[in-house]
Amino acid sequence: QVQLQQSGAELVKPGTSVKLSCKASGYTFTSNHMNWIKQTTGQGLEWIGIINPGSGGTSYNVKFKGKATLTVDKSSSTAFMQLSSLTPEDSAVYYCARWHEGFAYWGQGTLVTVSS
Amino acid sequence: DTVLTQSPALAVSPGERVTISCRASESVSTLMHWYQQKPGQQPTLLIYLASNLESGVPARFSGSGSGTDFTLTIDPVEADDTATYYCQQSWNDPFTFGSGTKLEIK
Repeated sequence: QVQLQQSGAELVKPGTSVKLSCKASGYTFTSNHMNWIKQTTGQGLEWIGIINPGSGGTSYNVKFKGKATLTVDKSSSTAFMQLSSLTPEDSAVYYCARWHEGFAYWGQGTLVTVSS
Repeated sequence: DTVLTQSPALAVSPGERVTISCRASESVSTLMHWYQQKPGQQPTLLIYLASNLESGVPARFSGSGSGTDFTLTIDPVEADDTATYYCQQSWNDPFTFGSGTKLEIK
């Protein structure tokens, strides 16, 4: 069965970067695009961007350009998202989600807390 | 960005029929999807492309609409349907979500 296993919670300091991972299993990793989504109490759900695991091609929500960088490692069927220049506004739960006529499969989420 | 407007909350009794609406600020054709999120869990896909039931989702859930007005219907509602329901469009860039409708079962 399809599973997306995300890395554990992160407590990071302002101004630093963090790299989140999402390991896919149960399907051919390169057959579906992978997305990243941010959830906060205040802003709700926000789509960050999408990556084609086969080609590495990416598309970002303009709001997150310069903040998020999406990459993949095909050898380990893992997608990554690096968040840079972190501020308290980046504190959120971040999900990876596989696209197929909707976000059909979601990871369990990674809580990122930005605090000094 | 395409803004999706949902009513914030609804309360219904088990066995009733409930409709949750989502209005888009511009046409999204039929590229509208619905998700259920229970506290502490990730969202799950219920309906894709406005009216298609995702595999494994009970037939009590249905979706309709096109253009700017969409509806998610649950009939009959069960106690386990307590959750927040989100609409999401994939017609316009960037993909956007509604703010969610919190459904309470009395």
